[in-house]
Amino acid sequence: DAGVTQSPTHLIKTRGQQVTLRCSPKSGHDTVSWYQQALGQGPQFIFQYYEEEERQRGNFPDRFSGHQFPNYSSELNVNALLLGDSALYLCASSLGGQGEAFFGQGTRLTVV
Amino acid sequence: DAKTTQPNSMESNEEEPVHLPCNHSTISGTDYIHWYRQLPSQGPEYVIHGLTSNVNNRMASLAIAEDRKSSTLILHRATLRDAAVYYCILEPSNDYKLSFGAGTTVTVRA
Repeated sequence: DAGVTQSPTHLIKTRGQQVTLRCSPKSGHDTVSWYQQALGQGPQFIFQYYEEEERQRGNFPDRFSGHQFPNYSSELNVNALLLGDSALYLCASSLGGQGEAFFGQGTRLTVV
Repeated sequence: DAKTTQPNSMESNEEEPVHLPCNHSTISGTDYIHWYRQLPSQGPEYVIHGLTSNVNNRMASLAIAEDRKSSTLILHRATLRDAAVYYCILEPSNDYKLSFGAGTTVTVRA
């Protein structure tokens, strides 16, 4: 079992550009959540996808959007990148959305 | 968001137990208590969770106070691989997000 896989592992983008991050959940999991972790801080919840719908959203602007595919994999899209979007983006999967969550290694996004 | 309070840091010697406290005085009756840890350069890793009774698994034990206003994560024999940031999180039954605080940074001395 590969667990939760995220791609790419590192990414450098220019301010104003758009970025797409990808996540494949752990086998058997149907729910994907995305988190943003700034340096030295705990992860902050962006949103959760279940049954291809956004089920819950954290305090993030509409520039952050996502998608879940029929195979439960997910994408996180961020438009009009700001320098402050530089962070580690973590994907977590679970069964049903609560209980034990499995996290990926994250994608390190740097906006210059 | 349900709030927890943890010490900023703790130190331990290898092979000794580590007791990590967490205060959650505003916990509601249906909130689960979760513990995750994050090793350097990795995503968070689930450690344990419980509701009312004490819980044990291969990684750790979770001791929950009778009034549920506090809990303690116990690592029975710390190893160097246990050096990480440990997060205590409350998960309400009607909420799907994990609200991470600053956590406790655990240092293990050889």
